[in-house]
Amino acid sequence: NAGVTQTPKFRVLKTGQSMTLLCAQDMNHEYMYWYRQDPGMGLRLIHYSVGEGTTAKGEVPDGYNVSRLKKQNFLLGLESAAPSQTSVYFCATARDLSYEQYFGPGTRLTVT
Amino acid sequence: AQSVTQLDSHVSVSEGTPVLLRCNYSSSYSPSLFWYVQHPNKGLQLLLKYTSAATLVKGINGFEAEFKKSETSFHLTKPSAHMSDAAEYFCVVTTNAGNNRKLIWGLGTSLAVNP
Repeated sequence: NAGVTQTPKFRVLKTGQSMTLLCAQDMNHEYMYWYRQDPGMGLRLIHYSVGEGTTAKGEVPDGYNVSRLKKQNFLLGLESAAPSQTSVYFCATARDLSYEQYFGPGTRLTVT
Repeated sequence: AQSVTQLDSHVSVSEGTPVLLRCNYSSSYSPSLFWYVQHPNKGLQLLLKYTSAATLVKGINGFEAEFKKSETSFHLTKPSAHMSDAAEYFCVVTTNAGNNRKLIWGLGTSLAVNP
């Protein structure tokens, strides 16, 4: 079992470029989350999904879009990257809101 | 409204001495509470969780936490710090009550362990 994987691990973008981050899980979890982590600000929830075909906004959704077309995959898109989106992005999955989250290894994104 | 406050952004202890990382929460509903740990340049791992069973929860690596409803606290403790405990620790609260479903992270406490 791979658990939770994230692709890519590192990426450098120029301002205005677009990209998609992929989170894949083999744990059959309903809930999936996208977070960003910045120094001194902990983890901030961007978007989340409570099941295939559903998504919802988190704390900091602006500038990001997501899709959950398949239960095992949760995609995070940046349509027009900005330097403020330089961060480490973590994906997580859970059985339900009251259960522990399992995290991917993270994606380090730099926008120049 | 729900909230989580980690009362110390940095804690420094000597190896072999007790660790106390403080977390207070606010919730209108019965919460689930978690502590996660993140070692430098690593991902996040669950330390322990409280989900309305025993109020004293034991986790991995000798950590434990006590849920105190009257004090709305869920402090993380360890009797004797080890160098490998140096990491960032996050307190998380979730509420899962009908239409009121929330997930809130604390800002984290950085634990330094001195030899």
